[in-house]
Amino acid sequence: EAQVTQNPRYLITVTGKKLTVTCSQNMNHEYMSWYRQDPGLGLRQIYYSMNVEVTDKGDVPEGYKVSRKEKRNFPLILESPSPNQTSLYFCASSLTGSNSPLHFGNGTRLTVT
Amino acid sequence: QKEVEQNSGPLSVPEGAIASLNCTYSDRVSQSFFWYRQYSGKSPELIMSIYSNGDKEDGRFTAQLNKASQYVSLLIRDSQPSDSATYLCAVRTGFQKLVFGTGTRLLVSP
Repeated sequence: EAQVTQNPRYLITVTGKKLTVTCSQNMNHEYMSWYRQDPGLGLRQIYYSMNVEVTDKGDVPEGYKVSRKEKRNFPLILESPSPNQTSLYFCASSLTGSNSPLHFGNGTRLTVT
Repeated sequence: QKEVEQNSGPLSVPEGAIASLNCTYSDRVSQSFFWYRQYSGKSPELIMSIYSNGDKEDGRFTAQLNKASQYVSLLIRDSQPSDSATYLCAVRTGFQKLVFGTGTRLLVSP
C-alpha cells in the first residue's frame, strides 16, 4: 500500500530533550515536506526537500532540523524542544513537488512541557 | 494580505443541499490549486486538483477556477453528514511554494 508513515503518533517530552520524528514514504517520491498545524494558523511548512541531500527552509524553520540521506526518509529533528513547538506535525510527499499533489502521513501530536 | 484566504466558517448546510466553499489567493502567477478534506485529528486527504480555468467535476465534487479573479471554489452536491470536515484550499505559487489556507469548517446536518 502506498503510504507516508510517521512515528511516533503521540509524543510527550520535556523542554530541551532532543527528539526525532521519523517519516518514510514508499512511493519513490522526490519531494518531501514537514508541516505543523496549529489552531487558527493552519498548515505551515517547516522544511522541504526536493531530492536526496537537497533541503530548504519553509516558513517556520526555527528550532528544527531535517536531513534527506535516502529518498524514502525525511526525519524531523528538534535539538532542544520548547513549549512553543507543541503542535500537530505532518510529513508529506509528492512525486515531483511542482504540480503533483501531496500525500500526508497520519500526523504526530507533540507536547513539550 | 494572506497568500491564501478562506472563511473559517462553520458553513452549515442541510443534508442533500449544495455546499459552496470559497478560496482567494494573492499570487497572480499561481498555477496549481488543490482542495483537501481534513477530519478532526486526521491528516488532510486530497479531494480535487485543478490547473486551468473553468470547472472540473469528480462525482459529487466540482472545483471551479477563475484565475482572472484569483478565486477557486469547491462545490459539494447532495451533501452528506459524512462530508462534515474542514476543507483546506492549497495553492502552488509562482515560487513553487505550496501555501495552505486555514480551512473552512463544513457542518452537514441530517
